[in-house]
Amino acid sequence: DIQMTQSPSSLSASVGDRVTITCRASQTIVTYLNWYQQKPGKAPKLLIYAASSLQSGVPSRFSGFGSGTNFTLTISSLQPEDFATYYCQQSYTTPRAFGGGTKVEIK
Amino acid sequence: QVQLVQSGAEVKKPGASVEISCKASGYTFTNHYMHWVRQTPGQGLEWMGIINPNGGSTNFAQKFRGRVTMTRDTSTSTVYMELSSLRSEDTAVYYCARESSGRYGIYFDSWGQGTLVTVSS
Repeated sequence: DIQMTQSPSSLSASVGDRVTITCRASQTIVTYLNWYQQKPGKAPKLLIYAASSLQSGVPSRFSGFGSGTNFTLTISSLQPEDFATYYCQQSYTTPRAFGGGTKVEIK
Repeated sequence: QVQLVQSGAEVKKPGASVEISCKASGYTFTNHYMHWVRQTPGQGLEWMGIINPNGGSTNFAQKFRGRVTMTRDTSTSTVYMELSSLRSEDTAVYYCARESSGRYGIYFDSWGQGTLVTVSS
């Protein structure tokens, strides 16, 4: 099975900061990598699919990059509504494993 | 618009089984695989398995094989997930999630609201 490792597990940042989260796959997943945002008590929401494609309706301050085994999610200017937990997920094969999550907190 | 509506919260005793439903609307039910994902309290997302509503074939995470069943009813556009031999560690929020795929990837673009299952004696 493919293992997904995210870092950091948590971070503190201020409104307006640039934030980058990293996700690494245990073997190549080409660009079959998705990013989700989850707020407390809510279902996850798709942000980025295929490593770098922005889901409809998602603000352009979110961007994704990478291929193979190394991927990043960047928030160019953190907004108050962006404080949440972010998960990467590989969709190259089953099981569709998720990373452990990165909690973005207010500094 | 696409909607996935799950059944309500459940409280079960250890050793019992639970069945959760996920009713889909707003799209052609048989055109999209459906997945089940769970989240234990304060923890991350754990993929459980997939069902193809067109035919009913399934594939489960190794961890759940032998304990999980996924079925569908095309007449009501509903998928079901049953987990048996429940233990306290199965206390979690369970989500159904629709898979979409295309030239540029495979992803979960719509999720149910989640169903809390509490396992307690």
